[in-house]
Amino acid sequence: NAGVTQTPKFRVLKTGQSMTLLCAQDMNHEYMYWYRQDPGMGLRLIHYSVGEGTTAKGEVPDGYNVSRLKKQNFLLGLESAAPSQTSVYFCASSYATGLPTDTQYFGPGTRLTVL
Amino acid sequence: GQNIDQPTEMTATEGAIVQINCTYQTSGFNGLFWYQQHAGEAPTFLSYNVLDGLEEKGRFSSFLSRSKGYSYLLLKELQMKDSASYLCAVKAPPNSGYSTLTFGKGTMLLVSP
Repeated sequence: NAGVTQTPKFRVLKTGQSMTLLCAQDMNHEYMYWYRQDPGMGLRLIHYSVGEGTTAKGEVPDGYNVSRLKKQNFLLGLESAAPSQTSVYFCASSYATGLPTDTQYFGPGTRLTVL
Repeated sequence: GQNIDQPTEMTATEGAIVQINCTYQTSGFNGLFWYQQHAGEAPTFLSYNVLDGLEEKGRFSSFLSRSKGYSYLLLKELQMKDSASYLCAVKAPPNSGYSTLTFGKGTMLLVSP
């Protein structure tokens, strides 16, 4: 049981390049989330998904797109990377019982630098 | 919207007790979570409170007062490995069936010998 995994772990992009971050979970969770974490800003929600084929915007969605074609995978895309997108990106997943105890489990993170 | 405040940094000595406070002002409330995050690692779940009162889990306890919009995380018998960032997060009530977490900026705790 690997939990939540993310690929890649590190990436350096030039401004204007595109890339896709992959998140996979093997816990059969309904909900999946993408966050970014910046110094002094805490974790901020980018997009989330409540099930296969369904996505929604979070607090800071601009410049990102997501897809959830399979229940276990959640992809985060940057179409035209900007230096402001330099950050650590975390994926998380949780059950969707509707109870307050739906704990989110986090992946190890992807450190992205945009030059 | 959600506004969550916690101290930026705290220091404590090994073996001591430390209390990390979190205050929140939210448009709705469906639970408060505490996560621990070591440098360079992912956040890991510590505790949650839904009702007022104290929840104890070994060396860690968490308290909630919904009327005051206040929570604290209490760490007893501090160990060097407790040096980490502690994140307070509030869960919003379901909106069209969806419920997300809003995180505070985290409190960096440094435990010294």
